[in-house]
Amino acid sequence: AQTVTQSQPEMSVQEAETVTLSCTYDTSESDYYLFWYKQPPSRQMILVIRQEAYKQQNATENRFSVNFQKAAKSFSLKISDSQLGDAAMYFCAYRRMTSGGTYKYIFGTGTRLKVLA
Amino acid sequence: DSGVTQTPKHLITATGQRVTLRCSPRSGDLSVYWYQQSLDQGLQFLIHYYNGEERAKGNILERFSAQQFPDLHSELNLSSLELGDSALYFCASSGRGYTFGSGTRLTVV
Repeated sequence: AQTVTQSQPEMSVQEAETVTLSCTYDTSESDYYLFWYKQPPSRQMILVIRQEAYKQQNATENRFSVNFQKAAKSFSLKISDSQLGDAAMYFCAYRRMTSGGTYKYIFGTGTRLKVLA
Repeated sequence: DSGVTQTPKHLITATGQRVTLRCSPRSGDLSVYWYQQSLDQGLQFLIHYYNGEERAKGNILERFSAQQFPDLHSELNLSSLELGDSALYFCASSGRGYTFGSGTRLTVV
């Protein structure tokens, strides 16, 4: 069975600094997607970044980038130039196609990021 | 606006009652996924519907049920409510990635 592990329940970063959130997963599949979602105090779930497993190049979205290590099954999120608005709960998620042709998603337990002014 | 619509946004009800939460997926999305998120907890997958058919069940209580209608909107029915059912209930539809609705905050008193 696939699992997603976020080993850091909480992280803090100084404003304008860089922080890395860790995520590891376990799967025997070769074709899958990985995501990072952000949940700010408003509780809205917002897609931050996604990575296709078949792509070796790490995904980047402005200040957000990932370090995808497929062999190690690691998918960390780097936030550069942290801003107060980045304070949120961050969830790592894994997605694969099922035999029925739909998607199965598995979420990690989340990392709460605090940004210090 | 994510394109996924959930109503109502807030709901307060008494123990033992029954409520219905509604979700309309993004235009063109056939899948609806339901999740429960208790205070400061992660997302618990409840159930997945695809084009009107149930495709997967997660940790959904027998007191809870769902369906997806021909127009693809979905309803999550929660009955015999208990205090512990108080949570944020999200639905999501799936395209390039999950698109979540803004959630329904259920408070059972």
